[in-house]
Amino acid sequence: GESVGLHLPTLSVQEGDNSIINCAYSNSASDYFIWYKQESGKGPQFIIDIRSNMDKRQGQRVTVLLNKTVKHLSLQIAATQPGDSAVYFCAELYNNNDMRFGAGTRLTVKP
Amino acid sequence: DSGVTQTPKHLITATGQRVTLRCSPRSGDLSVYWYQQSLDQGLQFLIQYYNGEERAKGNILERFSAQQFPDLHSELNLSSLELGDSALYFCASSVNGASYEQYFGPGTRLTVT
Repeated sequence: GESVGLHLPTLSVQEGDNSIINCAYSNSASDYFIWYKQESGKGPQFIIDIRSNMDKRQGQRVTVLLNKTVKHLSLQIAATQPGDSAVYFCAELYNNNDMRFGAGTRLTVKP
Repeated sequence: DSGVTQTPKHLITATGQRVTLRCSPRSGDLSVYWYQQSLDQGLQFLIQYYNGEERAKGNILERFSAQQFPDLHSELNLSSLELGDSALYFCASSVNGASYEQYFGPGTRLTVT
C-alpha cells in the first residue's frame, strides 16, 4: 500500500552545522506535507508545512523542499542547535483529513 | 505548552478492562484528533471530530470509540484492552476541520498488563 517513510532513522550533526532530514512518500494525490518535531516526553509539535503545488517553503531556520518528480520531501535546519535534538516526523495529508506519518528520524546534535 | 490538555498522564490497567482518556482542545479550536503512538507502529491516526461530529476515521479498532461533547472536549474509550494496546495516546486540535496545522497535547501513556 501507499505509505510515508523516512530514509534514515537517525542523524547526528555537529552544533552549528546544517541538518537535512529526508522523507519519501508514494501518494501523488497528497495535498499537504507537514513536518513535526517531537521531543522526549512531549507530543509532536508542528514545524512547517507545504502545499503540493509548491516546491519550497521557508520558516525560521527551517526550509522544506518538495520534489514531486521523485516524491521526496526534506527538512533543512540551519545552524542546528542542541535544542533541535528530537525525533522529526514527516506526514502527508490527503482528502483533507487522512494524515499518515512517517516512522521518524532521531536528530542528535553534538556540542 | 500547546494549550491542549490530556488526562490522565499515565494509566495502568489490566487486560480486558475499559478506560477513558480525556482531551480538552485549545481555546477556540473546533476539531479534535486522536492518535496512537507505539514503538512498532509509529504515530497512527485514529479519529477526528469537528464541532461534535465525526469527521474522519483512521486505523481505529472497533473496540475503541470516541466522542466530542458540546463544550468541545473529547473522550477516547478503549475497551476489552489487550497488551498490544499499550501505547501513547495523543490528542490534537486545530482551529477548523483542516488538518494540516494541529496542536498536540502531552499524551496519555497507557500500559496494559
